[in-house]
Amino acid sequence: DVKVTQSSRYLVKRTGEKVFLECVQDMDHENMFWYRQDPGLGLRLIYFSYDVKMKEKGDIPEGYSVSREKKERFSLILESASTNQTSMYLCASRPTGVGYEQYFGPGTRLTVT
Amino acid sequence: QKEVEQDPGPLSVPEGAIVSLNCTYSNSAFQYFMWYRQYSRKGPELLMYTYSSGNKEDGRFTAQVDKSSKYISLFIRDSQPSDSATYLCAMSAVSSASKIIFGSGTRLSIRP
Repeated sequence: DVKVTQSSRYLVKRTGEKVFLECVQDMDHENMFWYRQDPGLGLRLIYFSYDVKMKEKGDIPEGYSVSREKKERFSLILESASTNQTSMYLCASRPTGVGYEQYFGPGTRLTVT
Repeated sequence: QKEVEQDPGPLSVPEGAIVSLNCTYSNSAFQYFMWYRQYSRKGPELLMYTYSSGNKEDGRFTAQVDKSSKYISLFIRDSQPSDSATYLCAMSAVSSASKIIFGSGTRLSIRP
């Protein structure tokens, strides 16, 4: 049973703080993804990684960075949190190849005040 | 124009009704079509998956793909209150297997 876990379900941070969101998957998937989900805007891809130490920008990478030092772990970093980064953040993982399901974590609800 | 368009709803129907959820898309390279269900305060989970055109049935759920119209549908028969959730369509092309494009989701509520 695939499991994707995220370090926090709810997080409250102040403007300007550096924020780390951690994601771990236990199925040896090559690909990992960070999305944010906002009402009316759906899931927007921030960054993804197809291998250790590899990363690619998604649709909205500004204000974010990522780190993938180990295959099972993918971190999202908000260098200087701003109120417009208040959102639900979802991590996902998926094997390489066509036709594979993408598995999501439970999400982290981040509030920046 | 977004690659995938989905009516956000909300959609509210009485228990037992047939529900139809739809998405349109613009990229003719899409070959894999999925429906994810997301309950409140949870991550999305895969509900249905189809390759290319045609229908696929799984219990009370039927997924339909019309590639000529670039239109996909999810039908829910005998809807139950437990079906209340946000439904996201998703699709990917064969050549970009690592990237799935999601619709914005339709919020569905089944009234007992």
